[in-house]
Amino acid sequence: DAGVTQSPTHLIKTRGQQVTLRCSPKSGHDTVSWYQQALGQGPQFIFQYYEEEERQRGNFPDRFSGHQFPNYSSELNVNALLLGDSALYLCASSPVGGELFFGEGSRLTVL
Amino acid sequence: ENQVEHSPHFLGPQQGDVASMSCTYSVSRFNNLQWYRQNTGMGPKHLLSMYSAGYEKQKGRLNATLLKNGSSLYITAVQPEDSATYFCAVVGTMGGDMRFGAGTRLTVKP
Repeated sequence: DAGVTQSPTHLIKTRGQQVTLRCSPKSGHDTVSWYQQALGQGPQFIFQYYEEEERQRGNFPDRFSGHQFPNYSSELNVNALLLGDSALYLCASSPVGGELFFGEGSRLTVL
Repeated sequence: ENQVEHSPHFLGPQQGDVASMSCTYSVSRFNNLQWYRQNTGMGPKHLLSMYSAGYEKQKGRLNATLLKNGSSLYITAVQPEDSATYFCAVVGTMGGDMRFGAGTRLTVKP
């Protein structure tokens, strides 16, 4: 059983560009959450998707948007990249209210 | 906004010692608290979940207690492979978002 998979694993962008990160949840999970983790910090909640709707959102600007597809996979889009957006972006899937299963993350570097 | 704080930030026990760490939280509503472990370059892995104050859970060499506004995690007979960052995460409402603290970085000296 494949766990949570994320792509790409590493990418480099320049300021002002846009990026799309992808996530496939663990089989049987219908809820996907996205987190941003800066170096030396804990994961910070961006948003959560359930039934293709954004159910909850953390304290992130509208430059951060997402989508969930009918097969429960998800994308995170970040527009107008800033240097401060450099981080590890983690996707986690779960059954409703259950423990989170994290992917290995996408490491974004903004130059 | 939900807040989670860890103590200590860094821990460096000798192999075979007991490692002790804790977190405190402030949330408007509480559903459950979970502990995660993260190795460098990897995503966090769930260790255990707790649901009400006074709750205790043991899993192998891990022993955790849920207090009114915090939690303690003990790891007995620590080994070098226990070296990782340990996070406490709080869920405010059933099915809601999970908020993490900055974690305790454990480095076990052989």
